[in-house]
Amino acid sequence: EPEVTQTPSHQVTQMGQEVILRCVPISNHLYFYWYRQILGQKVEFLVSFYNNEISEKSEIFDDQFSVERPDGSNFTLKIRSTKLEDSAMYFCASSPVRENIQYFGAGTRLSVL
Amino acid sequence: AQSVAQPEDQVNVAEGNPLTVKCTYSVSGNPYLFWYVQYPNRGLQFLLKYITGDNLVKGSYGFEAEFNKSQTSFHLKKPSALVSDSALYFCAVRASGSGYSTLTFGKGTMLLVSP
Repeated sequence: EPEVTQTPSHQVTQMGQEVILRCVPISNHLYFYWYRQILGQKVEFLVSFYNNEISEKSEIFDDQFSVERPDGSNFTLKIRSTKLEDSAMYFCASSPVRENIQYFGAGTRLSVL
Repeated sequence: AQSVAQPEDQVNVAEGNPLTVKCTYSVSGNPYLFWYVQYPNRGLQFLLKYITGDNLVKGSYGFEAEFNKSQTSFHLKKPSALVSDSALYFCAVRASGSGYSTLTFGKGTMLLVSP
């Protein structure tokens, strides 16, 4: 069964460093999303992406964040200068159409020291 | 703004007994409602959804949920719980129509099924 894959599973970085989290959505899907879950808290929406541009973003998704689909398969989330409060589990999701089910990857745990 | 409330942090049930995990929502317009399950160190797995139609929807692993518009609820149910059902369950909502593709999640309910 096709699945969303995320790499790495765990990323440790120093505060102020740039990180790139990588996702390979399901191949025929058109909509892509990033969510995050701070330990012990709810899953929060960050950004959605369609047709090579951001379609929606939350207040969390400030200028430190960016997304890119550099080729036909990868979807990346970049954090330019990480802060301690960026430590969280980051989930990528994809869906074939807007109104349909979002399928989630296993997540990347980001630890900012 | 849309929101989801899961009033219980944890639900405990004995194996073989019925279980209910509660969810209420607030959204403008018609809701699209979802349940996801998260096992330790795993991503969110889709269980079931309500878009339109029959208020009782059936999903994976024997789970079902009942949409109640007047009570704005979408409680998750299973007639007979298994120990392997122990996990974190999230209810999520999205407004129908254009411009509202994002999911809003509840805080999650930990389900513990004892042998």
